[in-house]
Amino acid sequence: DSGVTQTPKHLITATGQRVTLRCSPRSGDLSVYWYQQSLDQGLQFLIQYYNGEERAKGNILERFSAQQFPDLHSELNLSPLELGDSALYFCASSVGGAEGDEQFFGPGTRLTVL
Amino acid sequence: GENVEQHPSTLSVQEGDSAVIKCTYSDSASNYFPWYKQELGKRPQLIIDIRSNVGEKKDQRIAVTLNKTAKHFSLHITETQPEDSAVYFCAHPPTGDQFYFGTGTSLTVIP
Repeated sequence: DSGVTQTPKHLITATGQRVTLRCSPRSGDLSVYWYQQSLDQGLQFLIQYYNGEERAKGNILERFSAQQFPDLHSELNLSPLELGDSALYFCASSVGGAEGDEQFFGPGTRLTVL
Repeated sequence: GENVEQHPSTLSVQEGDSAVIKCTYSDSASNYFPWYKQELGKRPQLIIDIRSNVGEKKDQRIAVTLNKTAKHFSLHITETQPEDSAVYFCAHPPTGDQFYFGTGTSLTVIP
């Protein structure tokens, strides 16, 4: 157990809908990262937050949005959903968000869009 | 976009043999080169990392080597065991901010 929690574990929904994925970092970690892992794909970096502020943005679609709250948990919103959004979404956290800080991954949320 | 290329995409070895996975990167301001292991259905976990002030780092049966001149770094697993079967990802933050992973190598260790 990495100490990073993600909810829900599984989510099945339809195209056009909106979903919110939630992540709670390890105690003491200030930085949160979001990744998308599609079938047979690698890990695609979406976005990083540090202490409530956006620090880096990767391949995140305009239909997706995220934020980190004062209590440091983070949410990733996806809307409107498309079939291609079906994937495993990982959240990771690190102490300071610097490049050399180890990232600890949560168990992931498996999103299925029908 | 991504600046990390990883090879091979799949690798099968006999138990006890060695496995080598290589990643190349382009221009970079970062000095951090980690490797992650992802077992089937599980989360990625850091197994070893190296910083550019050293050329090699070992941890029991795994090692990472770095060639900054050629811009590549490699993961070496010796005396492979069935539990080493997993997908391995290299990663590199090109500017120190965005964190890019390689496309992954699926390693199968045949008993």
